[in-house]
Amino acid sequence: DSGVTQTPKHLITATGQRVTLRCSPRSGDLSVYWYQQSLDQGLQFLIQYYNGEERAKGNILERFSAQQFPDLHSELNLSSLELGDSALYFCASSAPGTGFSEQYFGPGTRLTVT
Amino acid sequence: GEDVEQSLFLSVREGDSSVINCTYTDSSSTYLYWYKQEPGAGLQLLTYIFSNMDMKQDQRLTVLLNKKDKHLSLRIADTQTGDSAIYFCAERRAAGNKLTFGGGTRVLVKP
Repeated sequence: DSGVTQTPKHLITATGQRVTLRCSPRSGDLSVYWYQQSLDQGLQFLIQYYNGEERAKGNILERFSAQQFPDLHSELNLSSLELGDSALYFCASSAPGTGFSEQYFGPGTRLTVT
Repeated sequence: GEDVEQSLFLSVREGDSSVINCTYTDSSSTYLYWYKQEPGAGLQLLTYIFSNMDMKQDQRLTVLLNKKDKHLSLRIADTQTGDSAIYFCAERRAAGNKLTFGGGTRVLVKP
């Protein structure tokens, strides 16, 4: 158990809908990262937040957005969902004490868009 | 991750050593990682190496880094059936904290 929690574990929804994925980082970690794992694209970095502020952006679609709250949990919002958004979404967290060298991943949320 | 390459599959007998290889392209990579993913589970950080090191050993795991050839390997000694999983290598570049992953190597350990 990495200490990173994600909810829900599974999510099934229809095209055009909007969903919110939630992540709680390890205690003391200020940085949260979101990754998408799909069969065709592999594991891709989406976005990073540090202590509530966006720090880096990767291959994140405009239909997707994220935020990190004062209690450091983060939410990834996916809207106007398409079949191709079906994937495993991982959250990871890291601590400044390690120079952010260690990223610990949560168990993921499996999103199925039908 | 097109910039990080791994072979797709490795089959090994229980008790033997496994060697998983990875190549990367960015010479500015600061840290290189190995993660393990079991079916239906998240990514488990196994080990990582700082780019100024050549080797790191952690119990049954040995990481070798050849910066000149941009080649990273993970050796698992005395491979067990519980080591069957997908192994991902990843790099962290000097600019930013994001990780760039390879496509993963599926390791199958046969009894």
